[in-house]
Amino acid sequence: DSGVTQTPKHLITATGQRVTLRCSPRSGDLSVYWYQQSLDQGLQFLIQYYNGEERAKGNILERFSAQQFPDLHSELNLSSLELGDSALYFCASSPIVSPYNEQFFGPGTRLTVL
Amino acid sequence: GDSVTQMEGPVTLSEEAFLTINCTYTATGYPSLFWYVQYPGEGLQLLLKATKADDKGSNKGFEATYRKETTSFHLEKGSVQVSDSAVYFCALSSGYSSASKIIFGSGTRLSIRP
Repeated sequence: DSGVTQTPKHLITATGQRVTLRCSPRSGDLSVYWYQQSLDQGLQFLIQYYNGEERAKGNILERFSAQQFPDLHSELNLSSLELGDSALYFCASSPIVSPYNEQFFGPGTRLTVL
Repeated sequence: GDSVTQMEGPVTLSEEAFLTINCTYTATGYPSLFWYVQYPGEGLQLLLKATKADDKGSNKGFEATYRKETTSFHLEKGSVQVSDSAVYFCALSSGYSSASKIIFGSGTRLSIRP
């Protein structure tokens, strides 16, 4: 158990819908990262937040957005869903911004878009 | 840009065989290098890391040495077990300060036969 929690574990929805994925980092960790894992794209970095502020952006679509709240939990919002958005979404946390610290991954949310 | 290339799988070995999973990277500057492991149905776990040239990371019988001259970070284990069956990801982290992210290779699925 990494200490990072993600809810829900599974999510099934239809095209065009909007969903929210939630992540709680390890106690004391200030940085949260979101990743998408799909069969054809592998593991892709989406976005990073540090203490409530966006710090780095990867291959995140404009239909997707994220935020980190004062209690440090984070939410990833996916809208106008398409079939290709079906994937595993992972959240990770690390104590400080430095890239030399490892990231601790949550168990993931499996999103299925029908 | 920065990238990680690792050997394609799946790799199937018999128990107690010697394992090598090749990983090479391209990066500007001096990245940190990681191996993560993903067991079925779980998130990624950090297996080992190395932060500078000639560092050797080791954990659970696995080893990898940061080779700057060959830009490689190959994963090795002398005697694999059935419980090592998982997907292994080589990764690098570069940049500092506010631009922090990890770039993953495509993953190598390892299956160990009893």
